[in-house]
Amino acid sequence: ETGVTQTPRHLVMGMTNKKSLKCEQHLGHNAMYWYKQSAKKPLELMFVYSLEERVENNSVPSRFSPECPNSSHLFLHLHTLQPEDSALYLCASSQDLGGGSYNEQFFGPGTRLTVL
Amino acid sequence: QQQVKQSPQSLIVQKGGISIINCAYENTAFDYFPWYQQFPGKGPALLIAIRPDVSEKKEGRFTISFNKSAKQFSLHIMDSQPGDSATYFCAASPGDQLIWGAGTKLIIKP
Repeated sequence: ETGVTQTPRHLVMGMTNKKSLKCEQHLGHNAMYWYKQSAKKPLELMFVYSLEERVENNSVPSRFSPECPNSSHLFLHLHTLQPEDSALYLCASSQDLGGGSYNEQFFGPGTRLTVL
Repeated sequence: QQQVKQSPQSLIVQKGGISIINCAYENTAFDYFPWYQQFPGKGPALLIAIRPDVSEKKEGRFTISFNKSAKQFSLHIMDSQPGDSATYFCAASPGDQLIWGAGTKLIIKP
């Protein structure tokens, strides 16, 4: 595997279910990100991790719970979601924190989540 | 203001034509302006980027034009091809994070 991988690619869940999204980066990067992508909206940054420590939580509801057990893996645990949480969830990584010119973000293909 | 406003929302261009996507920002602290390209079923990928000390950057058929005084920047795709059909996102960074535009869905008609 190369780059950033995400599993599952598609997920359908009921509002009472608990599920987890998994992200793995094979680039040796130090920073990892969760984004939410909804149609016709800017990418919404949800969580940022640097060297396994959470450095940002952008007012995300507690029904989303991130976990970063090591610098290569990132999880997003989901529970009691709402239909409006249906979206594409993207994982990204970069060499270090920040959005500057020496810190390109590499994205996985995303998990398409549908909440019924 | 941390927003980046992107237009148009969607764009249809004939093969061989020029595709133009525009973005505007307010925060003068932004110092890096990338464009990302996203194909269906894939995540966004960096296409081309510019810093505000230059007014234009060209890579192949893709050019960024940057107008610092107007706080605007745009992506031009010359000789647009069906393979360029994708969603394009502009972004801006003050250094610590990326602020994203809402995306433009570009369709190139054969």
